[in-house]
Amino acid sequence: NAGVMQNPRHLVRRRGQEARLRCSPMKGHSHVYWYRQLPEEGLKFMVYLQKENIIDESGMPKERFSAEFPKEGPSILRIQQVVRGDSAAYFCASSPRRLQQERYGNTIYFGEGSWLTVV
Amino acid sequence: DAKTTQPPSMDCAEGRAANLPCNHSTISGNEYVYWYRQIHSQGPQYIIHGLKNNETNEMASLIITEDRKSSTLILPHATLRDTAVYYCIVRLMIKAAGNKLTFGGGTRVLVKP
Repeated sequence: NAGVMQNPRHLVRRRGQEARLRCSPMKGHSHVYWYRQLPEEGLKFMVYLQKENIIDESGMPKERFSAEFPKEGPSILRIQQVVRGDSAAYFCASSPRRLQQERYGNTIYFGEGSWLTVV
Repeated sequence: DAKTTQPPSMDCAEGRAANLPCNHSTISGNEYVYWYRQIHSQGPQYIIHGLKNNETNEMASLIITEDRKSSTLILPHATLRDTAVYYCIVRLMIKAAGNKLTFGGGTRVLVKP
């Protein structure tokens, strides 16, 4: 998990507020992925981004959720008007550009997660 | 991505080897086998991956059958810190949209003293 930095580690929001989760990928990585893990459930893919581009958002809820990965700065997962069902662990992961693949592939490394609690 | 089948849970004695099986009978030639684990309240941790040859690193060994339809992750000397959920994932590598990892239920491994 070394290198992928997520903050905040823990976030408490009241219903209706906004939550912003930040992710800095490992050095040299330009692909970012977001996953969500609801309590006692498995890891679910949300979105896959490259710098300034969303590649795959097939797992993103249609409303209230958005993600970006600007040219400069961290990737942001934004949840508007949070509800209690958004309480979960959100994990960010990163991988290298395809032209910088490691010997056998494009390994994805995860951060330690951001735990969102909606009260 | 091809689906995988893993036993939901298994116990292992501390100090003994742990052999974690995974079936991926529909795997295609462009799909790698990846193993991750998730210790409670932590992010998933990469363990090892392979295409068709057996692989070994400081954490584990990966044995892939010749037909690639199944594999086994071997933790050579399990410790209590190896207690975690272990995920076997097959991952398509030939196109950008296939880069993501799709997690199944995994195997909950409990290492006992």
